[in-house]
Amino acid sequence: DADVTQTPRNRITKTGKRIMLECSQTKGHDRMYWYRQDPGLGLRLIYYSFDVKDINKGEISDGYSVSRQAQAKFSLSLESAIPNQTALYFCATSDHAGGRAFFGQGTRLTVV
Amino acid sequence: AQTVTQSQPEMSVQEAETVTLSCTYDTSESDYYLFWYKQPPSRQMILVIRQEAYKQQNATENRFSVNFQKAAKSFSLKISDSQLGDAAMYFCAYRRGNFGNEKLTFGTGTRLTIIP
Repeated sequence: DADVTQTPRNRITKTGKRIMLECSQTKGHDRMYWYRQDPGLGLRLIYYSFDVKDINKGEISDGYSVSRQAQAKFSLSLESAIPNQTALYFCATSDHAGGRAFFGQGTRLTVV
Repeated sequence: AQTVTQSQPEMSVQEAETVTLSCTYDTSESDYYLFWYKQPPSRQMILVIRQEAYKQQNATENRFSVNFQKAAKSFSLKISDSQLGDAAMYFCAYRRGNFGNEKLTFGTGTRLTIIP
C-alpha cells in the first residue's frame, strides 16, 4: 500500500459544484501539504498543516479550503469549482527533520 | 520569499550520453535543503537527489549527481549514461532548514527527452 494515498485519482466536475479531495498517510508525519501543478508553472502550495490544530495558507489559497481531521488525514475542498481550477493536485507529507517530502499519486481534476 | 528558477523548459539527450539540468535559487538563508524530483508520465513525484546546504560535498546517487555552488546559488543536476527511463519532467525544489518552515518551493520544471 502507498504511504500517501489520494482519492479520487481522477475527477470531472461541473462549474459551481463543491468537491473534496482526500489524502491519508501512514508515514506518521505531522506535516501535510496540498500542492497544485499546472503546465509551465511547476507545483504551487495551496495549504499546509504542521499538526491537527495548525492550518496555514500557501501562495494560492483563494477558492480552496482544507480540513485536518486527524494526523493522518488532510482534505482539500473547492467550495464552488471553476474551470481555472482544472489542474493536477498533490498531497504530500514530511517530518520536521531530514527535509524530504513524500507525495501521493496525484488527483487529476477537470472542471467543465 | 524564496524563488527557484529552471531556465530550460525542455532538454533532450542521446541515450547513453550525459545531460545537465540547470537550477538557480534565491534565498537569504544559510540553512536549507535542495532537491531534484522526477515526474515520469505516471505523474508520481520521485525524489532523485537531496543536498544539504551546509555540506560542501556534492550529493551523488548512482548516475545522478549535482553541482552545488552555494555562493552562486546554483544547483544543477547531471545525469550520466542517460537511459530511456530517465525521460520525465524534472523539478528543482528548495526548503528552508529551520524548524517550522518545512515547505517546498518548486521551479517550473524541465522536460527531458531521451533520444534512442
